[in-house]
Amino acid sequence: DAGVTQSPTHLIKTRGQQVTLRCSPKSGHDTVSWYQQALGQGPQFIFQYYEEEERQRGNFPDRFSGHQFPNYSSELNVNALLLGDSALYLCASSLAGGIETQYFGPGTRLLVL
Amino acid sequence: GESVGLHLPTLSVQEGDNSIINCAYSNSASDYFIWYKQESGKGPQFIIDIRSNMDKRQGQRVTVLLNKTVKHLSLQIAATQPGDSAVYFCAENAGGTSYGKLTFGQGTILTVHP
Repeated sequence: DAGVTQSPTHLIKTRGQQVTLRCSPKSGHDTVSWYQQALGQGPQFIFQYYEEEERQRGNFPDRFSGHQFPNYSSELNVNALLLGDSALYLCASSLAGGIETQYFGPGTRLLVL
Repeated sequence: GESVGLHLPTLSVQEGDNSIINCAYSNSASDYFIWYKQESGKGPQFIIDIRSNMDKRQGQRVTVLLNKTVKHLSLQIAATQPGDSAVYFCAENAGGTSYGKLTFGQGTILTVHP
């Protein structure tokens, strides 16, 4: 049974560019949440997707957007990258709109130069 | 100035000792709490959870205690092993319209010496 997978594992971009990160949830899960983790800090909630809609959103600007596909996989898009967007981006999957336990993937390490 | 993140609480124990990691949460409306373990370069790994209608829950070598009166959560690890060395985060999940949005604590670095 595959766990949560994310791609790519690492990514280097320059300021102003756009990036797309991908996540496949754990088998049987229908909800995907995205988190940003800066070095030395706990993960910060970006948003959650359930039934292909954004259901919850944290305190992140509109430059951060996402999508969920019919197979429950998800993408996180970040436009107009800033140096401060450099972080580990984590995807977590769960059941039933997030009321059950969230299981995390290995993350995508993004470096913005 | 330095980031708060550079001053994570640390706990250093000897192999075989019991470890207790503490967490204060902020939202009195939170009704679901989770402990995660994060090793360097990896995503958080689920350890144990507890709902607000309980004050104690046990797993394999781990116990979580919840004190809602003082908004305090603790993780007890029995017979700590070198493989337990990692950063430990508590996370809270408020109910109602915020369900699914986890709020993480700052983390505690656990180091286990052989």
